[in-house]
Amino acid sequence: AQKVTQAQTEISVVEKEDVTLDCVYETRDTTYYLFWYKQPPSGELVFLIRRNSFDEQNEISGRYSWNFQKSTSSFNFTITASQVVDSAVYFCALSGGTASKLTFGTGTRLQVTL
Amino acid sequence: DSGVTQTPKHLITATGQRVTLRCSPRSGDLSVYWYQQSLDQGLQFLIQYYNGEERAKGNILERFSAQQFPDLHSELNLSSLELGDSALYFCASSVAVLASDTQYFGPGTRLTVL
Repeated sequence: AQKVTQAQTEISVVEKEDVTLDCVYETRDTTYYLFWYKQPPSGELVFLIRRNSFDEQNEISGRYSWNFQKSTSSFNFTITASQVVDSAVYFCALSGGTASKLTFGTGTRLQVTL
Repeated sequence: DSGVTQTPKHLITATGQRVTLRCSPRSGDLSVYWYQQSLDQGLQFLIQYYNGEERAKGNILERFSAQQFPDLHSELNLSSLELGDSALYFCASSVAVLASDTQYFGPGTRLTVL
């Protein structure tokens, strides 16, 4: 069975601080995919990134970066110089094998204040 | 805007009633997924359809059913509603059925059962 753990329930930072959201996963699939989604206060789920299990290169997109480490089964998400607009709940998710359904973590609520 | 549409945005009904939630996938996407987001269960996969056929089933209650029509829109039917069915119901779509396919989510339907 697949499992995603986001141990940080809530994080509060002051604007311009860097923040890292942790994600640890469990799967028996040899090929799998990891995702991050953002849920702003308006409620929709916004896709941020997809990472393949066979590609351990880190990725940077503007102020966002992702660190994938197979050895520790982690796929962490860092926001550099956080902004108030980054306030949201962030979900890590996993799919793999022949199943395309997503298994989500419980989410991390990020609060960025001035 | 993900391109996935869901109606209605909000639904308030009474216990024992039946409701239908509607979803239109992104243009070109053949797969539709339904997820339930509740405070106690988090984000959970309910069911997936691909090109009109049921593809995968999650923890969907027997009181719930879904279908995907020839024009690829999907409906989720919830019957004999209970207080515990109050939740945010998301529809997502993807190109096909691969675990690598990114799922794009609609804005959700917030169901309140009184």
